[in-house]
Amino acid sequence: GAGVSQSPSNKVTEKGKDVELRCDPISGHTALYWYRQSLGQGLEFLIYFQGNSAPDKSGLPSDRFSAERTGGSVSTLTIQRTQQEDSAVYLCASSLVGATEAFFGQGTRLTVV
Amino acid sequence: GIQVEQSPPDLILQEGANSTLRCNFSDSVNNLQWFHQNPWGQLINLFYIPSGTKQNGRLSATTVATERYSLLYISSSQTTDSGVYFCAVPNSSNQGGKLIFGQGTELSVKP
Repeated sequence: GAGVSQSPSNKVTEKGKDVELRCDPISGHTALYWYRQSLGQGLEFLIYFQGNSAPDKSGLPSDRFSAERTGGSVSTLTIQRTQQEDSAVYLCASSLVGATEAFFGQGTRLTVV
Repeated sequence: GIQVEQSPPDLILQEGANSTLRCNFSDSVNNLQWFHQNPWGQLINLFYIPSGTKQNGRLSATTVATERYSLLYISSSQTTDSGVYFCAVPNSSNQGGKLIFGQGTELSVKP
């Protein structure tokens, strides 16, 4: 696609429910990144994919968080048993290969009530 | 891992003024990016600048890789320049790996 696309744009969920966030990278980009940004804060790294594998998942805050990437394209970030502290904007980026110019999607604003 | 520091953390300008934002990094890097996060949260690519100087309209950027810093210049600022400016570098000097972001400079341009 023309740019990185994330869905949904906004998600409100009840505490304890599971959520799935989707990222469609730019076509042909092999590297994909997930970041989280809490209100008024900087960007917190979550996980990095090169192709379908995740050589760096050091930023996932707990085992409630997982991510996968299939076909070297779409990625899904899953948060199980959501907590209020999970409320944030989840940003996805892609680049042609790792550590080259990255482009971000518009983000998914997650609110856990 | 590599550390990235941005200064100043906050900046208030009158419309038409010029400004310089700085990004220091603790280790050698093979690329650096500047982003503008607009009030709607969208991260806009400004520059991909491993070294040297680039210009795009009223904005320009210079990276001095050997001295581990980059500067973003904004001339004749406009209210639409308001937002947070981030710089980011790869975590490793090799290809691949996450981008490390600075904490950002929050710019407010007053009319």
